[in-house]
Amino acid sequence: ETGVTQTPRHLVMGMTNKKSLKCEQHLGHNAMYWYKQSAKKPLELMFVYNFKEQTENNSVPSRFSPECPNSSHLFLHLHTLQPEDSALYLCASSQGRPRGPGIAFFGQGTRLTVV
Amino acid sequence: GQQVMQIPQYQHVQEGEDFTTYCNSSTTLSNIQWYKQRPGGHPVFLIQLVKSGEVKKQKRLTFQFGEAKKNSSLHITATQTTDVGTYFCAAPLRGGYNKLIFGAGTRLAVHP
Repeated sequence: ETGVTQTPRHLVMGMTNKKSLKCEQHLGHNAMYWYKQSAKKPLELMFVYNFKEQTENNSVPSRFSPECPNSSHLFLHLHTLQPEDSALYLCASSQGRPRGPGIAFFGQGTRLTVV
Repeated sequence: GQQVMQIPQYQHVQEGEDFTTYCNSSTTLSNIQWYKQRPGGHPVFLIQLVKSGEVKKQKRLTFQFGEAKKNSSLHITATQTTDVGTYFCAAPLRGGYNKLIFGAGTRLAVHP
């Protein structure tokens, strides 16, 4: 148990569906991340939140919409996805400091399949 | 943009052989981290290197940070089947607050 919990673990959705991924961290960290892991790009940074403020959107299509209501919770809202969006979506948290992001603690991931 | 290049992409070894993965950056890194992801699992932190020329050991794993702080390596001595997985290096992005960039990873297969 890493202290970062993701739900659901598996998700199958159609291209017209709307779904959300949830991440919760119990570590008191101030930064949370969404990463996409696929065969083409093993660990691709999508979004970064610091103190619940989005500080990074790594050119992610608008069909992915993050939400961070507080520093412990992070969501990724999905709508009108494409089959190529099928991947493992990993949430991570860290205790950022002025000299750097600190150590990343990852959740178990959500295996997403778009049909 | 800033990238962290990692080689090789795959490595197949016989159990008992050694294994090394390398991580390179075109810019000086403030620190570098290493993670391991077991098949079907998620990345798990192994170690962080901060000082120029730093060498750290964890049992059969030896981690090095280059003198110029632009490269790093992970060496496993006498691999075991439990070493199977993908090893990632990661480094903070310059000017990117709390932004951690990962290398492409090296997938290690160990044949008994």
